[in-house]
Amino acid sequence: SQQGEEDPQALSIQEGENATMNCSYKTSINNLQWYRQNSGRGLVHLILIRSNEREKHSGRLRVTLDTSKKSSSLLITASRAADTASYFCATDPSGGGADGLTFGKGTHLIIQP
Amino acid sequence: DTGVSQDPRHKITKRGQNVTFRCDPISEHNRLYWYRQTLGQGPEFLTYFQNEAQLEKSRLLSDRFSAERPKGSFSTLEIQRTEQGDSAMYLCASSFRGLGRSPLHFGNGTRLTVT
Repeated sequence: SQQGEEDPQALSIQEGENATMNCSYKTSINNLQWYRQNSGRGLVHLILIRSNEREKHSGRLRVTLDTSKKSSSLLITASRAADTASYFCATDPSGGGADGLTFGKGTHLIIQP
Repeated sequence: DTGVSQDPRHKITKRGQNVTFRCDPISEHNRLYWYRQTLGQGPEFLTYFQNEAQLEKSRLLSDRFSAERPKGSFSTLEIQRTEQGDSAMYLCASSFRGLGRSPLHFGNGTRLTVT
């Protein structure tokens, strides 16, 4: 089953604009992670935010987490053509569960030059 | 680079045949995961190992699926009597389980097509 749900499913913007993707989840978490996947490739880890953190930055990436609403957002600033990819949020459940991360269906981002 | 490697990259097989995929994790990682990804979906967790112990296998899709990790190094995922619905990308990932959970490092996957 997929816990995270990204919104929107697809997003197309002009190069240089900011891109915002949202993720909602259902259960308590230890942390939430964002991954990027280029077509036909594996996923690449972007950023991890712990349940006691509200905001985190990494380069052009900004992630927020609202555990009361069970939601997260990923902001990519000053987008580039190379940012074209699918972006997935993944939740790491709390309670010491043995399962792997649970991924959402992803947001397909297209950056138009 | 000693990232996660998967072999083969692509596999085309006829329905009813058995297939086996291999994953070589990052050498210092003690956890290894298998995921399946179908078109337009996120990865779906199948199973994972800590060293050579398979700690979770209830998510394997059917008894036709099995995984091994002898000696806690590389892992294999086998699908017996393949069906067309098994066509998907099979992803392997590894991580280091220390005091906290670390991010997953994925391979580029094996794309399976069952005809």
